[in-house]
Amino acid sequence: DTAVSQTPKYLVTQMGNDKSIKCEQNLGHDTMYWYKQDSKKFLKIMFSYNNKELIINETVPNRFSPKSPDKAHLNLHINSLELGDSAVYFCASSQGQAHGYTFGSGTRLTVV
Amino acid sequence: AQKITQTQPGMFVQEKEAVTLDCTYDTSDPSYGLFWYKQPSSGEMIFLIYQGSYDQQNATEGRYSLNFQKARKSANLVISASQLGDSAMYFCAMREGNSGGYQKVTFGIGTKLQVIP
Repeated sequence: DTAVSQTPKYLVTQMGNDKSIKCEQNLGHDTMYWYKQDSKKFLKIMFSYNNKELIINETVPNRFSPKSPDKAHLNLHINSLELGDSAVYFCASSQGQAHGYTFGSGTRLTVV
Repeated sequence: AQKITQTQPGMFVQEKEAVTLDCTYDTSDPSYGLFWYKQPSSGEMIFLIYQGSYDQQNATEGRYSLNFQKARKSANLVISASQLGDSAMYFCAMREGNSGGYQKVTFGIGTKLQVIP
């Protein structure tokens, strides 16, 4: 069983479209995250939820909206996609401070 | 200022040799944590090792050890007996603050390690 699963793995879409990426973790972790990895491999946090409550909201365009229906799920909806949104988006979860994150396999988003 | 600095964009190491990947950090919080992650060409992110700011001993996990020098604010990763499968991007990361139930982790720009047969 995959600990943190993201779907879809690849997403190719046109500018202006709206798309969602789903994330689920079966580890019982309390905290989940979305990170964006750009073409230079730089990882930047976007959002974090703890027990369904938004606790970190970095400087991200409001076209990006996270939703956490329960603590095992954290979805990312993106409106009006732009070319600059092309990146790999990673979902992650953690429990406690010494165990690091468990990452999903990433979603490669390509906006054309 | 950069929170996490990795000054080696790329490194080569001979198989079976040891290699050190450099990481320095910047924080004014007394309580923080340092991590290393591996990202192979397949793209997944793999947690390797963790060091807490109050830990007295350097962390070790198998062939990985973290050379923690608090006064110098460095947290270098040492990989002993390199294997071909160690070829990957390696990211240093820092969690800041005593954040209770959550943590904000900042990543460095990574070092690409290539192991030569």
